[in-house]
Amino acid sequence: GAGVSQSPSNKVTEKGKDVELRCDPISGHTALYWYRQSLGQGLEFLIYFQGNSAPDKSGLPSDRFSAERTGGSVSTLTIQRTQQEDSAVYLCASSGGRGRPQHFGDGTRLSIL
Amino acid sequence: DQQVKQNSPSLSVQEGRISILNCDYTNSMFDYFLWYKKYPAEGPTFLISISSIKDKNEDGRFTVFLNKSAKHLSLHIVPSQPGDSAVYFCAASAYYGNKLVFGAGTILRVKS
Repeated sequence: GAGVSQSPSNKVTEKGKDVELRCDPISGHTALYWYRQSLGQGLEFLIYFQGNSAPDKSGLPSDRFSAERTGGSVSTLTIQRTQQEDSAVYLCASSGGRGRPQHFGDGTRLSIL
Repeated sequence: DQQVKQNSPSLSVQEGRISILNCDYTNSMFDYFLWYKKYPAEGPTFLISISSIKDKNEDGRFTVFLNKSAKHLSLHIVPSQPGDSAVYFCAASAYYGNKLVFGAGTILRVKS
């Protein structure tokens, strides 16, 4: 498809485990973003990639969170030693550049037991 | 510190009438504003945007108005349709940062 693709769509894991979330942006989009929406909360920015570099990581909530992007395309968001408060929908978006709208995937719903 | 506020949690409108969704912001560095629509279990879908050099942008049934002096924007949907029932998010960015700051959303219900 032509849209942003995220996998898995749902992930249930035990507290303390590591998880990896994947995002395939729209082809040709140089900018990629991760956001999350916790239950009853708004969408919260996590990290922004321009190409493979991350000029803005200001939204990552702790050092348990990290993200990388390779080949200017696919990105993975890794959460180490998951905690119950990490339960949320993690959304990825991509855009064609500054001043262009961000287009979102359907998210990964992460549940920490 | 909520930089983008949508003060109406919900709005109910009759089919065929106008829906007006409002949004206020506090950060004067914001210069690009967007509206997204979201259905349950789906990601936000981009609807319409406006840059700070304009005060109106129109796309079909959707029009966004920006009042910079009041730091206020609104989305007008005319005519409203039952399929428009969703959560609407206002978002803003400062050009160089480009990350979006979202409001809390407004649930729109269009009754047939």
